[in-house]
Amino acid sequence: GENVEQHPSTLSVQEGDSAVIKCTYSDSASNYFPWYKQELGKRPQLIIDIRSNVGEKKDQRIAVTLNKTAKHFSLHITETQPEDSAVYFCAASRGDQGAQKLVFGQGTRLTINP
Amino acid sequence: EAGVTQFPSHSVIEKGQTVTLRCDPISGHDNLYWYRRVMGKEIKFLLHFVKESKQDESGMPNNRFLAERTGGTYSTLKVQPAELEDSGVYFCASSVITGGRQFFGPGTRLTVL
Repeated sequence: GENVEQHPSTLSVQEGDSAVIKCTYSDSASNYFPWYKQELGKRPQLIIDIRSNVGEKKDQRIAVTLNKTAKHFSLHITETQPEDSAVYFCAASRGDQGAQKLVFGQGTRLTINP
Repeated sequence: EAGVTQFPSHSVIEKGQTVTLRCDPISGHDNLYWYRRVMGKEIKFLLHFVKESKQDESGMPNNRFLAERTGGTYSTLKVQPAELEDSGVYFCASSVITGGRQFFGPGTRLTVL
């Protein structure tokens, strides 16, 4: 079955710097890659997603890149702010009939230092 | 629009007891998923409903877990009898189309003593 590895498990950056979180997946049939942000005590919130027909997607300070050949994808946050502090989860899914389940990485605890 | 809601937010029970968790998906979302996060590990898939039908239940850990979605609206997840290793946060998510974006509820934190 699908396996998703996420690194690093913890990341601490200075406010204003960039943060990068990387994930690798094992199932070459995976074609949908969402990222979720979970603040303490709150629900996982979908912040950006990418499908395998696209190599990069941006939304303001957040971007995701996908390398299908290498089977890895990354989350980039620029100009980090204190409110970016949270646990971030990557996930992968095949998206086809009977296989829409999300397989998650282990999570990255991001801390933005003022 | 209202998001996915879950009830209760917390539940503390003793080993051997029964607990029922409820999830109300976003209105109009035919797809409903259950996940859980145990001991700070990754979020793991349990099962997927399309309307009232179980599309994929490959993640259900054992027959102590029973999920239902009568009428294709809200869903319940019953754990009977509960064991210590069932402790964790149980999330529900819904999507409007199969393979679409999944929106999560706030979770139910289950503690089995």
